[in-house]
Amino acid sequence: AQSVTQLGSHVSVSEGALVLLRCNYSSSVPPYLFWYVQYPNQGLQLLLKYTSAATLVKGINGFEAEFKKSETSFHLTKPSAHMSDAAEYFCAVSGTSYDKVIFGPGTSLSVIP
Amino acid sequence: DAGVTQSPTHLIKTRGQQVTLRCSPISGHKSVSWYQQVLGQGPQFIFQYYEKEERGRGNFPDRFSARQFPNYSSELNVNALLLGDSALYLCASSLDQGVDNQPQHFGDGTRLSIL
Repeated sequence: AQSVTQLGSHVSVSEGALVLLRCNYSSSVPPYLFWYVQYPNQGLQLLLKYTSAATLVKGINGFEAEFKKSETSFHLTKPSAHMSDAAEYFCAVSGTSYDKVIFGPGTSLSVIP
Repeated sequence: DAGVTQSPTHLIKTRGQQVTLRCSPISGHKSVSWYQQVLGQGPQFIFQYYEKEERGRGNFPDRFSARQFPNYSSELNVNALLLGDSALYLCASSLDQGVDNQPQHFGDGTRLSIL
């Protein structure tokens, strides 16, 4: 079975500061890992995904995440926060190609001018 | 190309009623999944359909059912609505669930409110 925890339900950063959103997963098989972003009243948009090709994954909008098997982590980072980054971020995991995707509870990111 | 489209965008029902939500996947996508997102929480998996067959089911009661049509569109049905069914219902489509676990593309959802 797979599960996801996201440390910090709410994170605030200053504009231009580093963004770090934490995600830890549990999986009985090699996982597929995802980060999604959700803006108010919208669906989810895929930021990036890990599928075992490379441990450092680059996504859209300047985001990247590093898969660390020893720590069972997949933290999301961005060097410099923009106001437009304010949104809800979800980490997600699935086990095999046909598995359902399990989402974490989400982290709300606020960017302070 | 059009993204995943869901209808209606908003819906208000009363307890005990039945509701049908609709989803049209991205053209060429054969897999459709349904998720329930309660306010303040992450999406919870309800169903996945691929080539009109159910491929996965989450921990939801039998009041929830779904189907996929030959054109790969899908409907989610919920019977005997409860207050707790109030949520954003998201549909996601992907090419298939092949080796690379094709990422899912989400629609903007249907906001269901139960009075």
